Amino acid sequence: KQEVTQIPAALSVPEGENLVLNCSFTDSAIYNLQWFRQDPGKGLTSLLLIQSSQREQTSGRLNASLDKSSGRSTLYIAASQPGDSATYLCAVGGGFKTIFGAGTRLFVKA
Amino acid sequence: NAGVMQNPRHLVRRRGQEARLRCSPMKGHSHVYWYRQLPEEGLKFMVYLQKENIIDESGMPKERFSAEFPKEGPSILRIQQVVRGDSAAYFCASSPAGGADTEAFFGQGTRLTVV
Repeated sequence: KQEVTQIPAALSVPEGENLVLNCSFTDSAIYNLQWFRQDPGKGLTSLLLIQSSQREQTSGRLNASLDKSSGRSTLYIAASQPGDSATYLCAVGGGFKTIFGAGTRLFVKA
Repeated sequence: NAGVMQNPRHLVRRRGQEARLRCSPMKGHSHVYWYRQLPEEGLKFMVYLQKENIIDESGMPKERFSAEFPKEGPSILRIQQVVRGDSAAYFCASSPAGGADTEAFFGQGTRLTVV
């Protein structure tokens, strides 16, 4: 049974810092891995989708990597801004088999 | 092409009432998934439907919860005789195909509060 863990559960950093969010999963037989952003009381915004054949994806200040063999993904955020404050969710699998982690709550201080 | 549309965005029900949550998938998508997010937790899969069929309902509570996706109209998640523990955000996602390698697109969710 697939389990997805995100560490840390919460993170507070000063503006401008580069930071890394971690996601680990127990079953490496996945189709894709997706990172979402969720603002308080709001829906999900898809940030990056990595297919199983890929090792990383980049969008602006965000870079996500995938290492299936070790069951890990990282989301790298460069030059963090207060507007980056949100909960970041890692979702592993694909289709209806998508399993979500509990998320990392990020607070970027101005 | 509008995204996945869920309504209402917020729903308040008294204990014992019925809650009906609607999800209109993206145009051209015939596969719908419902997830529930309890406070401070991640999203948990509930049910997967394709037009007029329930494909997998392994995440649905055995009682009071039902889902449908009729030939015409939105998918409906129905919760009968709601209890306080049903308070959560309910998210719907859709995809054009049902394979596990298919990306699903999520709606903004319906926040149910049971008072």
